[in-house]
Amino acid sequence: EAGVVQSPRYKIIEKKQPVAFWCNPISGHNTLYWYLQNLGQGPELLIRYENEEAVDDSQLPKDRFSAERLKGVDSTLKIQPAELGDSAVYLCASSAGQGVQETQYFGPGTRLLVL
Amino acid sequence: AQTVTQSQPEMSVQEAETVTLSCTYDTSESDYYLFWYKQPPSRQMILVIRQEAYKQQNATENRFSVNFQKAAKSFSLKISDSQLGDAAMYFCAYFSSGTYKYIFGTGTRLKVLA
Repeated sequence: EAGVVQSPRYKIIEKKQPVAFWCNPISGHNTLYWYLQNLGQGPELLIRYENEEAVDDSQLPKDRFSAERLKGVDSTLKIQPAELGDSAVYLCASSAGQGVQETQYFGPGTRLLVL
Repeated sequence: AQTVTQSQPEMSVQEAETVTLSCTYDTSESDYYLFWYKQPPSRQMILVIRQEAYKQQNATENRFSVNFQKAAKSFSLKISDSQLGDAAMYFCAYFSSGTYKYIFGTGTRLKVLA
């Protein structure tokens, strides 16, 4: 069974440029998470989806960040415009969903460097 | 609000020895799950072990075991017969069955000395 897939693995952009990250969760997993991980820190939730619905986006900086999961499968996280402080690893994770399996599985992450 | 605390930023262990990583948490919930995740340098975060709060028996996965003290809100990870491949950041995580939210600690960097 394929794991959580993320692309790109690395991205270098200049500040004020837009950037997008893509995630494909494990097949059959209804719940999808986007996390931000700063160097030497634990992941911090940005947004959680149940199928195509964003059920928790309270930590998403909506002035510059947006996300979508249109068909309830893969998801895209966008930053526009990027700032220097956005340099971090963006992790995607998925789990089977409510009441079924609470364990989440992580993708390899996208390492973003904003210059 | 729930919190997770890992008070050891870094730990070292000799190869083949045993090491224990500490984690404490704070919650008013009775139904939750606890996890230990391993993140090798520049590599993917992977699940090491999970514990359901309603289970009194401590979870075990091969060389990895936990000491779950629910009343003390403590969830430590013991690694036996440490191997060089165990070197990584280890994150303790709390999952709330009420909010379906994961909360991670700040991590402990484990070094394994040959």
